[in-house]
Parts: sequence; C-alpha cells; structure tokens
Amino acid sequence: EAQVTQNPRYLITVTGKKLTVTCSQNMNHEYMSWYRQDPGLGLRQIYYSMNVEVTDKGDVPEGYKVSRKEKRNFPLILESPSPNQTSLYFCASSVTLNTEAFFGQGTRLTVV
Amino acid sequence: AQSVSQHNHHVILSEAASLELGCNYSYGGTVNLFWYVQYPGQHLQLLLKYFSGDPLVKGIKGFEAEFIKSKFSFNLRKPSVQWSDTAEYFCAVNARTGANNLFFGTGTRLTVIP
Repeated sequence: EAQVTQNPRYLITVTGKKLTVTCSQNMNHEYMSWYRQDPGLGLRQIYYSMNVEVTDKGDVPEGYKVSRKEKRNFPLILESPSPNQTSLYFCASSVTLNTEAFFGQGTRLTVV
Repeated sequence: AQSVSQHNHHVILSEAASLELGCNYSYGGTVNLFWYVQYPGQHLQLLLKYFSGDPLVKGIKGFEAEFIKSKFSFNLRKPSVQWSDTAEYFCAVNARTGANNLFFGTGTRLTVIP
C-alpha cells in the first residue's frame, strides 16, 4: 500500500530536549516536505527536499533541521525544542512538485 | 511571493444545502491548483486538482471546482452536502516554474448539521 509513515504520532517533550520525527515513503517519490499546522494559520512549509542530499528552507525553518540521506526517508530534527514549536506536523511526498502530495498521518508535538 | 486566501473560516450548513468555498491566490504566472480535505483527526487527502485544460474540474465525492484565471480564483463547490462532508478544506497552489513550493490557504472548517 502506498503510504507516508510518520513516527511518533504523539509526543510530549520538555524544552531543550532534542527530538527527531521520522518520515518514510514507499512510493519512490523524489519530493518530500514537512509542514506544521496551527489553528488559523493553515499549513506552513518548514523544509523541503527535491531529492537525496538536496534540501531547502520553506516558510518557517527556524528551529528545525532536516536530512535526506536516502530517497525514502526525510526526518525532521528539533535540536532544542521550545514551546512555540508545539504543533501538528505533517510530512508529505510527491513525484514532483507539480503532482499530488501524499500526506502522513501527522505528529502532534507538545513542548512543555 | 505567492499567497492563498480562503475568506470563509467556518461554514455551517444543513444537509442537502449547496456549498461554495472561496479560494483566491496571488501569483502572476502559471499555477497548479489543489483542494485538500482533512476529516477530523485524519491527514490531508486530495479532493481535486487543476493543471490545465477544462477549467471546471470534478473531484471525488461529488466535489467540483472552477478555475477563473481573470479572478485568480479556484472556488470549491458541491450541490448537496452530507453530514460526512464535515471537515476542514484547504486550497493550495504552486507555480509551474521557479520556486514552486506548495502554498496552502488557512483552511475553511465546514460543519454540516444533519
């Protein structure tokens, strides 16, 4: 089954404790991206990747890092999480930028 | 920079009522347009998309959208909503050339009352 898998689905952590949210897709898509969803703000892009070892900043990259060492994986790293990063995070992948994006189930992160 | 506006934040309708959700974008070049739906507690799913051709696009579950280039609009419509259409709806756009990331609107929450 074609899918984008994120882990964990729910995470509560403390300020400053490094964390990684994993994202994996099984569709051999080149393009992957991370979004955060906040009430009243919709989805805002954090980082995106056009292919292996090619990543770039989206609209709200501050406080986040990503890596793309393999085509299927695109982890999101918060080196020192802060409460303003409490949000719902979605990973997405697509064949190219001009095709449908497939979304993961989301990761609800709470930073206390 | 591109932006997407969805002016209806929350729409409440009775079952069988007709639906129209507005979406306007700002970008002077050629764009691809999408509507995604997010049912409560779930991830986003594609409703329909427009790349080129007939500006009236039909999607899943009886939804359709019309691209009006002169108005920079891509409004979503459904003639008769059902309770199961209760969800949040997002319009999204990306440019065909240049920095063509996908930009989302802020979303419209639709509540359908049985």
